[in-house]
Amino acid sequence: GESVGLHLPTLSVQEGDNSIINCAYSNSASDYFIWYKQESGKGPQFIIDIRSNMDKRQGQRVTVLLNKTVKHLSLQIAATQPGDSAVYFCAENRPGAGSYQLTFGKGTKLSVIP
Amino acid sequence: GAVVSQHPSRVICKSGTSVKIECRSLDFQATTMFWYRQFPKQSLMLMATSNEGSKATYEQGVEKDKFLINHASLTLSTLTVTSAHPEDSSFYICSARDNIRAGRMNTEAFFGQGTRLTVV
Repeated sequence: GESVGLHLPTLSVQEGDNSIINCAYSNSASDYFIWYKQESGKGPQFIIDIRSNMDKRQGQRVTVLLNKTVKHLSLQIAATQPGDSAVYFCAENRPGAGSYQLTFGKGTKLSVIP
Repeated sequence: GAVVSQHPSRVICKSGTSVKIECRSLDFQATTMFWYRQFPKQSLMLMATSNEGSKATYEQGVEKDKFLINHASLTLSTLTVTSAHPEDSSFYICSARDNIRAGRMNTEAFFGQGTRLTVV
């Protein structure tokens, strides 16, 4: 199930199940989006990206969906594994922010139950 | 693949001292690098944009005299936390984008492994 912690929402899933992590972005002019995975004590690791002229993109075991109408982004992880446990952040590239700055969402902690 | 190396990974310093954190792009050039700060259980907050050969651009509320940024080459940016205080204790992360690829289109930013700063 999903719960909201002090600062970070948490999603708990059973190993082997599919995970869906959601993100609402704020700027309708944002044209590029990235999902990052961050393990404890480490820097963010690139997972997958999508440009605003697309609504779906697939990678290995991951799919990103973009709904520009409601400014919503989701990350789907198929057959979730214990190694997927981490905090996941969406990031948006806002035009005019300068130098390709990224603005990060609040993050979701994914816990995989063996 | 593109690698960003950040050093040190952990540092403990006394109040009032200064600490320098290095961010290097190992296999690509980066005209622009970014410095973030992250508190426990929170997201990354952009502190400043480091520009090679020119002054850094600081986000609102970030003291430029407190957080000195130098981007002396296309592969190295440094962040110096001056006169550190316990409230400066945090996780500092840098990122960079590949110049050549970024010139054509938006591309992902690559992140360093972060630096855990503890000021005692």
